[in-house]
Amino acid sequence: AQTVTQSQPEMSVQEAETVTLSCTYDTSESDYYLFWYKQPPSRQMILVIRQEAYKQQNATENRFSVNFQKAAKSFSLKISDSQLGDAAMYFCAFDMEYGNKLVFGAGTILRVKS
Amino acid sequence: DAGVTQSPTHLIKTRGQQVTLRCSPKSGHDTVSWYQQALGQGPQFIFQYYEEEERQRGNFPDRFSGHQFPNYSSELNVNALLLGDSALYLCASNAGNQPQHFGDGTRLSIL
Repeated sequence: AQTVTQSQPEMSVQEAETVTLSCTYDTSESDYYLFWYKQPPSRQMILVIRQEAYKQQNATENRFSVNFQKAAKSFSLKISDSQLGDAAMYFCAFDMEYGNKLVFGAGTILRVKS
Repeated sequence: DAGVTQSPTHLIKTRGQQVTLRCSPKSGHDTVSWYQQALGQGPQFIFQYYEEEERQRGNFPDRFSGHQFPNYSSELNVNALLLGDSALYLCASNAGNQPQHFGDGTRLSIL
């Protein structure tokens, strides 16, 4: 069974600075998908960024980028130029294929200081 | 274009009762998945429906059941409610080989 571990229960960042959230996972499969979801207090889970394991290039979406290390089974999220609206719970998630069943980590609370 | 919609927003029940939660998928989506998110934890997969059948199931007891209708909307039913069933229930939908989109969830409180 796949597992996802987020070792940072809480992180803080100053507005306009950069923060990195960590995620490791365990699987014996070679093809899979990794995601970072954001869940603000409004509760809706919002997809931030995704990475296909077969792609060596790290995914980037505006201020969000990932560092995908397949051999190390590591998938960290970097948020650049942090904004107050980035404050939320961030979940790392794993899936064998798109729309299959997501396996989530326990989450990291991100606080942004002005 | 409406996203995934769930109802009700919040529900309070007592132990032993039964509850039904509802989900309408995003337009164009045909697959619906349900997740349970306990307070302070990540969501846990309950089950997934496609073509009106349960396609996959997570590690949840038979008290948790569901249904998908011809219009792709879905219901989650929980019988004999326990205090431990208190959680945020999230519905997600997708079409084919696309990532899941989530609704705002239903907060279920058991007294």
